[in-house]
Amino acid sequence: KAGVTQTPRYLIKTRGQQVTLSCSPISGHRSVSWYQQTPGQGLQFLFEYFSETQRNKGNFPGRFSGRQFSNSRSEMNVSTLELGDSALYLCASRTSTSGGAVNEQFFGPGTRLTVL
Amino acid sequence: AQSVTQLDSHVSVSEGTPVLLRCNYSSSYSPSLFWYVQHPNKGLQLLLKYTSAATLVKGINGFEAEFKKSETSFHLTKPSAHMSDAAEYFCVVSEAGGFKTIFGAGTRLFVKA
Repeated sequence: KAGVTQTPRYLIKTRGQQVTLSCSPISGHRSVSWYQQTPGQGLQFLFEYFSETQRNKGNFPGRFSGRQFSNSRSEMNVSTLELGDSALYLCASRTSTSGGAVNEQFFGPGTRLTVL
Repeated sequence: AQSVTQLDSHVSVSEGTPVLLRCNYSSSYSPSLFWYVQHPNKGLQLLLKYTSAATLVKGINGFEAEFKKSETSFHLTKPSAHMSDAAEYFCVVSEAGGFKTIFGAGTRLFVKA
């Protein structure tokens, strides 16, 4: 099975622009989560989608949004970019929970976003 | 509310000596706990997971972790460090009820020759 793929791998934008990142989960995985990783804040949860519905959301401003399509592929969008949005954005997919336990996530390689 | 605390931001060991990376968690429900590893410029890879089965969990590359409910701990150990173990390690807690996943701040492991 192919792993989680993210496109693009690298992106350079300027302040005020908007950006869309894409994630294709492992085949059969209906849950997709997004994370932001920075040296100062570590790994922070952005949101999780399951069957096209946002199931949970982290503490990020409304400039950060996402969606999931019927084939489970997901996109996240950041509008009005700020310098502080420079980060590695990671996408992860997993199968749904089983017997009350949460299954492990499989991570993509990430998209490195630089905001100038 | 759930939280996870990795007690050491950096750990340095010599090759061939034991590794101990400490993790404490807080959870309102029965948690699922994970350890992930991230090598430089690479994605995150699952080392092992605890999901209310055996309290001693064996993972890849000789790592294991013990779930101790009374101490709310899930420490990661390895009997003998290898140079290739140098990486950042993340302890993670997830609750099925809330579907939210919380990462610890990470512990960077250095392995000296």
